[in-house]
Amino acid sequence: DTEVTQTPKHLVMGMTNKKSLKCEQHMGHRAMYWYKQKAKKPPELMFVYSYEKLSINESVPSRFSPECPNSSLLNLHLHALQPEDSALYLCASSQPTGRKATDTQYFGPGTRLTVL
Amino acid sequence: DAKTTQPNSMESNEEEPVHLPCNHSTISGTDYIHWYRQLPSQGPEYVIHGLTSNVNNRMASLAIAEDRKSSTLILHRATLRDAAVYYCIRNRNSGNTPLVFGKGTRLSVIA
Repeated sequence: DTEVTQTPKHLVMGMTNKKSLKCEQHMGHRAMYWYKQKAKKPPELMFVYSYEKLSINESVPSRFSPECPNSSLLNLHLHALQPEDSALYLCASSQPTGRKATDTQYFGPGTRLTVL
Repeated sequence: DAKTTQPNSMESNEEEPVHLPCNHSTISGTDYIHWYRQLPSQGPEYVIHGLTSNVNNRMASLAIAEDRKSSTLILHRATLRDAAVYYCIRNRNSGNTPLVFGKGTRLSVIA
């Protein structure tokens, strides 16, 4: 199973709402990523978790709060977002160590977020 | 900084070979070359990667120049399903290195 699932597929929220995006993988990968992709632009890294610990935060505003509760799950908590935060949010995973260590990343289909 | 250069767009006829070029003239000796593609309304999908030697898999072939300053992704017979944005990415292949995407090449396939 090489699938990364993301829920919800679409999300519309107001600027005062609190919502969460969820990502799940069952490939045993111990590195997980959040990327943000604006329309007609390439994906840009937001966060990296390695062995459930945050290893990279690309200066993302605090209104985005990542969480990795276990090795299979990655959440992105959203609060007080702005309309310019509307984008496709992509989750990915990879295997960081061991004989099969590779940067090959498996991406989910993304959550398309609209902030009104 | 993606540190790779690709043409913005390319066009191919269906069932013909497609050669997608990528320039990475400042690549270090330990960087691998990865290719991903993103079909419309989907997340990026791994295609192939290599270090020095040419590589083949069921999706494509990767030809790497001897000086490693450029590479070419080869789709042997383009289908309509291959229409996507193709990204060429340099990476250390250490297992948890984030991908730095450039603008990629938008491939259109004509029936």
